[in-house]
Amino acid sequence: GAVVSQHPSRVICKSGTSVKIECRSLDFQATTMFWYRQFPKQSLMLMATSNEGSKATYEQGVEKDKFLINHASLTLSTLTVTSAHPEDSSFYICSARVRASGSNEQFFGPGTRLTVL
Amino acid sequence: GDSVTQMEGPVTLSEEAFLTINCTYTATGYPSLFWYVQYPGEGLQLLLKATKADDKGSNKGFEATYRKETTSFHLEKGSVQVSDSAVYFCAHRSNNNAGNMLTFGGGTRLMVKP
Repeated sequence: GAVVSQHPSRVICKSGTSVKIECRSLDFQATTMFWYRQFPKQSLMLMATSNEGSKATYEQGVEKDKFLINHASLTLSTLTVTSAHPEDSSFYICSARVRASGSNEQFFGPGTRLTVL
Repeated sequence: GDSVTQMEGPVTLSEEAFLTINCTYTATGYPSLFWYVQYPGEGLQLLLKATKADDKGSNKGFEATYRKETTSFHLEKGSVQVSDSAVYFCAHRSNNNAGNMLTFGGGTRLMVKP
């Protein structure tokens, strides 16, 4: 089956630093990747949708200058949390949609736990 | 707006017990409904889905029926195993949403004891 990886799986950083999270589709091409954020015991909240080669579309309330998304190729999207603060601590999950005619299924990565001290 | 509500966990059961995890939704139109499972340390995996009213999704002994009249998609399994211990997410996707956005419930952690 389609596999999506994320790196790193967990990261701890100091307040004010920037953190980059990678999302890769390992055995398929993904025209669209999605970034979600999950707070403890809460739903996955969609942050943004990124299409290869174009700017990401951010959901209402998500700061695009704080959460930089780059989808440079059909197998890689990155999320950079800039000037991270403790309130940015969360579980970040990406998903990728298979590049196939008529396919809508999303495949999810294992998530990245970010802790900002 | 669109939302998904599922029962809070954790749900703790003994092996071979019957499982029900409730899920209700609000949405415009006729969404597709999904159950995802997340095993420890892994990503979300699609467990089953239903795309129209009265459809029953099934996989690995799990079942859920799309009930439009009650806007529900409850997950059931007749006999759970220890290996079913995981977090289960109910989700929907509006069929008129070209962006393919999924709306998730909060997740329900299932713990099955031997």
